[in-house]
Amino acid sequence: QVQLVQSGAEVKKPGASVKVSCKASGYTFTRYAMHWVRQAPGQRLEWMGWINAGKGHTKYSQKFQGRVTITRDTSASTAYMELSSLRSEDTAVYYCARESAGGGSYLAHWGQGTLVIVSS
Amino acid sequence: NFMLTQPHSVSESPGKTLTISCTRSSGSIASNYVQWYQQRPGSAPTTVIYEHNQRPSGVPDRFSGSIDSSSNSASLTISGLKTEDEADYYCQSYDSSNAWVFGGGTKLTVL
Repeated sequence: QVQLVQSGAEVKKPGASVKVSCKASGYTFTRYAMHWVRQAPGQRLEWMGWINAGKGHTKYSQKFQGRVTITRDTSASTAYMELSSLRSEDTAVYYCARESAGGGSYLAHWGQGTLVIVSS
Repeated sequence: NFMLTQPHSVSESPGKTLTISCTRSSGSIASNYVQWYQQRPGSAPTTVIYEHNQRPSGVPDRFSGSIDSSSNSASLTISGLKTEDEADYYCQSYDSSNAWVFGGGTKLTVL
C-alpha cells in the first residue's frame, strides 16, 4: 500500500532554513506528482507547491515563491521541501501528499505531517 | 490568482442534511475540478469528493458534491448526518497554470 513517511519535528530559529523529507513506498515514485501543504496551528490548509517526481518540474504558490524549494531523489523515492528565511508565522505542520492515480486531480495519500516550530 | 470562500462554521442535528458552499472569486468554477477534504483533529485530510461530484472508494454515498455556475460556487452536501461527520471540510481547486488553492475551511458541528 502507498505510504508517505515524513521526517521528524524540527525547532528552528528565525532566519534559518528547514528541510523536510517525505519517503514514499508502495508505488512507482516517478509516476506521480508530490505536493506540499502546510497548516499553522488552528488555521487553514495552505498549498505550497508540487514537483513532478519523474521530470523534476516544480510549481510553487506565489506566496512562497523565492523561499521554498521542492526537490526529489528518485533513487531514494524521497521528496524534500526546504523553506528558508523562517519567521514565527511559519510555525506549522507540513504535509507531503501524493496525487491520485488516473489523472491526479486530488491528493489521495498524505504523510503523517512534520511539525516545524520557529522560535528564538 | 483566485480565492475560494467557505463559511467559517456550520452546525446541524444528527440525521439532517447539510450543505457547505465554496465560492470562487474569479474565473469560472466549472473551468477546474473542485475537491472536498475532510480533516478530523490531529489527522491529515482525506478526500470525500473529487472532480466536482465523484466519491473515492470507501466514502459513503451520504456525501455528494455539485457546482453551480450561476453563483460560481461548489457545494458539499452531507445527508443523514452522523456525529462522526464532525470535522473541518476544505474545498480545493486549481488554476490554468496548475497552482492549487484551498478554501478557508468550514468547521462542521453535529449536535
